[in-house]
Amino acid sequence: EAQVTQNPRYLITVTGKKLTVTCSQNMNHEYMSWYRQDPGLGLRQIYYSMNVEVTDKGDVPEGYKVSRKEKRNFPLILESPSPNQTSLYFCASRNGHNSPLHFGNGTRLTVT
Amino acid sequence: GEDVEQSLFLSVREGDSSVINCTYTDSSSTYLYWYKQEPGAGLQLLTYIFSNMDMKQDQRLTVLLNKKDKHLSLRIADTQTGDSAIYFCAEILFISSGSARQLTFGSGTQLTVLP
Repeated sequence: EAQVTQNPRYLITVTGKKLTVTCSQNMNHEYMSWYRQDPGLGLRQIYYSMNVEVTDKGDVPEGYKVSRKEKRNFPLILESPSPNQTSLYFCASRNGHNSPLHFGNGTRLTVT
Repeated sequence: GEDVEQSLFLSVREGDSSVINCTYTDSSSTYLYWYKQEPGAGLQLLTYIFSNMDMKQDQRLTVLLNKKDKHLSLRIADTQTGDSAIYFCAEILFISSGSARQLTFGSGTQLTVLP
C-alpha cells in the first residue's frame, strides 16, 4: 500500500531532550516536507527536500533540523525541544511539481 | 507574506448543503486543492481544480473557481455527519529561490454537521 509513515504517533518529552520523528514513504517520491499544525494557523512548512541531500527551510524552520540521506526517509530532528514546539506534525511527499501531497497520519508532540 | 484565507468554523444541518470558501493569493497558481482532515488523521486530498477551469463536479462535491476574485469554494451537497472534518484549501506558489513550487495551506475550516 502506498503510504507515508510517521513514528511515533504520540510523544511526550521534556525541554532540552533531543528527539527525532521519523518519516518514510514507499512511493519513490522525490519531494518530501514537514509541516506543523496549530489551531487557527493551519499548516506551516518547517523544512522540505526536493531530492536526496537537498533540503531547504520552510516558513518556520527555527529549532528544527532535517536530513535526506535516502530518498524514502526524511527525519525531523529537534536538538533541544522547547514548549513552543508542542504541536501536531505532519510529513508529506509528492511526485512532481503539481502533484498533490500525500500525508502521514501525524505525530502529536508535547514538550513540558 | 502570502496568505490563503478561510473561515474557521461552519455548522450545517444534516441533509443541507455546505459551502466552504477560500481566498488565495497567487493568480498564477496552476492547481488549487481541497484537503479533508478527519479527527486523529492526516490530510487526505478531496478534490482539486486546474486553474483554467471554472467548475468541477465530483458526486456530492462541487468546486467553483473565480480567478478574477481569487476565490475558491467547495460545496458539499446533502451533507452527512461523516462529512464533519476540517477542510483545507491549498494553492501552489512559486518560491523566490528558484523554480520550485510550494503548497500553501489555509487555516482550515472546521465543518460541524448537526443531526
